[in-house]
Amino acid sequence: DAGVIQSPRHEVTEMGQEVTLRCKPISGHNSLFWYRQTMMRGLELLIYFNNNVPIDDSGMPEDRFSAKMPNASFSTLKIQPSEPRDSAVYFCASRQRESSEQYFGPGTRLTVT
Amino acid sequence: EDQVTQSPEALRLQEGESSSLNCSYTVSGLRGLFWYRQDPGKGPEFLFTLYSAGEEKEKERLKATLTKKESFLHITAPKPEDSATYLCAVRSYGGSQGNLIFGKGTKLSVKP
Repeated sequence: DAGVIQSPRHEVTEMGQEVTLRCKPISGHNSLFWYRQTMMRGLELLIYFNNNVPIDDSGMPEDRFSAKMPNASFSTLKIQPSEPRDSAVYFCASRQRESSEQYFGPGTRLTVT
Repeated sequence: EDQVTQSPEALRLQEGESSSLNCSYTVSGLRGLFWYRQDPGKGPEFLFTLYSAGEEKEKERLKATLTKKESFLHITAPKPEDSATYLCAVRSYGGSQGNLIFGKGTKLSVKP
């Protein structure tokens, strides 16, 4: 299996622009997670989906952030408008079932200038 | 509130010098404790899951142990390729169904 796939790997954008991050989970996994990692705050859960349905979005910082999972093999995390404080590494992870571990993608490094 | 604290923040070892990393946790009922390894520029890589006090798991030079308040990741005779950041995470019965609470990690450097 190719593992969790994320794109792009790096994104540099200007403040105010829309940013869309993409994720393809491992085939057969029914849960998908979006995390953000910074030096100050470490790894934080933003939102997670179970069977394509958002279950917990309490970690989404504000309304500028939105996430969708239109089918079992694709998810997006959108930031509109982006701000410099959104600069971080964003990870997507997937899990086969509730009792199992999460597998992480390689991450997208976002820089907002 | 569920919390995870890892210590030390950074650890430098000579090749072959065994040591331990600590993960202290406070949760409202532990559903699982997870150890991950993260290399620079990469996503966390799963190592172990522990579910109950007294449980131990091993993989090559790594051994993870669990008590009711903390977990240790023991590294025996480390090699330079063991250099990475090691993350600890917990899932609790009090948290949302899938949520993992991560510690800030311990950055391990092993010098030849």
